[in-house]
Amino acid sequence: NAGVTQTPKFQVLKTGQSMTLQCAQDMNHEYMSWYRQDPGMGLRLIHYSVGAGITDQGEVPNGYNVSRSTTEDFPLRLLSAAPSQTSVYFCASSAFGTGELFFGEGSRLTVL
Amino acid sequence: SQQGEEDPQALSIQEGENATMNCSYKTSINNLQWYRQNSGRGLVHLILIRSNEREKHSGRLRVTLDTSKKSSSLLITASRAADTASYFCATVNSMDTGRRALTFGSGTRLQVQP
Repeated sequence: NAGVTQTPKFQVLKTGQSMTLQCAQDMNHEYMSWYRQDPGMGLRLIHYSVGAGITDQGEVPNGYNVSRSTTEDFPLRLLSAAPSQTSVYFCASSAFGTGELFFGEGSRLTVL
Repeated sequence: SQQGEEDPQALSIQEGENATMNCSYKTSINNLQWYRQNSGRGLVHLILIRSNEREKHSGRLRVTLDTSKKSSSLLITASRAADTASYFCATVNSMDTGRRALTFGSGTRLQVQP
């Protein structure tokens, strides 16, 4: 059972480039979310989804886009990368009513 | 905005000792959760305590919750070198029924010396 799988694990971008971080889960979880982790700031919610076709903004959504065409996949798109988006990104999912989040291993992004 | 704040920020103990970490939060909550993160890895759920519970145990872990003080503590008994990690508390705001967003603190870095 793979759980939550994120790709790529590492990525270096130049300012202005765009890219997509992939996230897939095989647990049939309705809820999926993206967090970013920065030193000294804990994790902050970027976007979330409560089911296929439904997405909404979290605490820090600017500069990011998401879609949820299937239950399994929840990609995060950086539209025009900025140095302030250098961070470690985590995808997480949960089943309704449980509260427990299952996290991927993270994607470390550096924007030059 | 950070909901949970862990204290201390860093803790170094000897193997076999107990480790206590504290978490304070600001709003009314549905539940409070503790997660562990090994260096360079994702977060792993440890334990969830609901707002109507005061104490919960799981193996060597003991979590307490005081909603009147908006605080929680995580106790790891008989620590092992393998417990070395960062520990985060996370809360679900009781008014945030749609997002079910967890709000994380900045974590406590625990170092257990063998």
